[in-house]
Amino acid sequence: EIVLTQSPDFQSVTPKEKVTITCRASQSIGSSLHWYQQKPDQSPKVLIKYASQSISGVPLRFSGSGSGTDFTLTINSLEAEDAATYYCHQSSSLPWTFGQGTKVEIK
Amino acid sequence: EVQLVESGGGLVHFGGSLRLSCAASGLTFSAYWMTWVRQSPGGGLEWVANIHHDGNEKYYVDSVRGRFTISRDNAKNSLYLQMNSLSAEDTAVYYCARARRDPGDPSPNYIDSWGQGTLVTVSS
Repeated sequence: EIVLTQSPDFQSVTPKEKVTITCRASQSIGSSLHWYQQKPDQSPKVLIKYASQSISGVPLRFSGSGSGTDFTLTINSLEAEDAATYYCHQSSSLPWTFGQGTKVEIK
Repeated sequence: EVQLVESGGGLVHFGGSLRLSCAASGLTFSAYWMTWVRQSPGGGLEWVANIHHDGNEKYYVDSVRGRFTISRDNAKNSLYLQMNSLSAEDTAVYYCARARRDPGDPSPNYIDSWGQGTLVTVSS
């Protein structure tokens, strides 16, 4: 099983600040890494697919990068509505696994 | 707009069974892999199972294999999860979701639509 480790677990950020969340895989997964946002009491929503590909309708301030074992989700100019927990997900091999989540709080 | 609506959750005793359903609309249901993902209270996301368009390929996480069965009825645009021998560790919100694969991919890769989830609570 591929283990995904996110850092940090929690981040308190001021609006308009830049946020960087990392996801490290226990073995190489190519670009089979996807990012989701889950707001309180809501279902998750996909933000980025295949490490860096954008999703239609997702604000352009969300971007992803990386390949192999190290990946990054960047939120440029954080907005209040971005308060949520963010998860990475690998589909390189079964079982699919998720990172433990990174909670982003707005100061 | 894709809509996925789960039902069938509730309180069940240790060792009991439950069948979850997911009604899909706004998509050509028979054209997509579908998946179940669960989230324990206050916890993270855990993939449970995937099923191919035609229902002939099924994959499970080890912790549910042999106890849970994923199935679908394309004529009814419905996805199911039969859960047997339930334990406290199965307590979670269960999400029905659509798994996508881009052209050229033999298997699904990411999840682009999620239901609102249905809560399963296993009590001892």
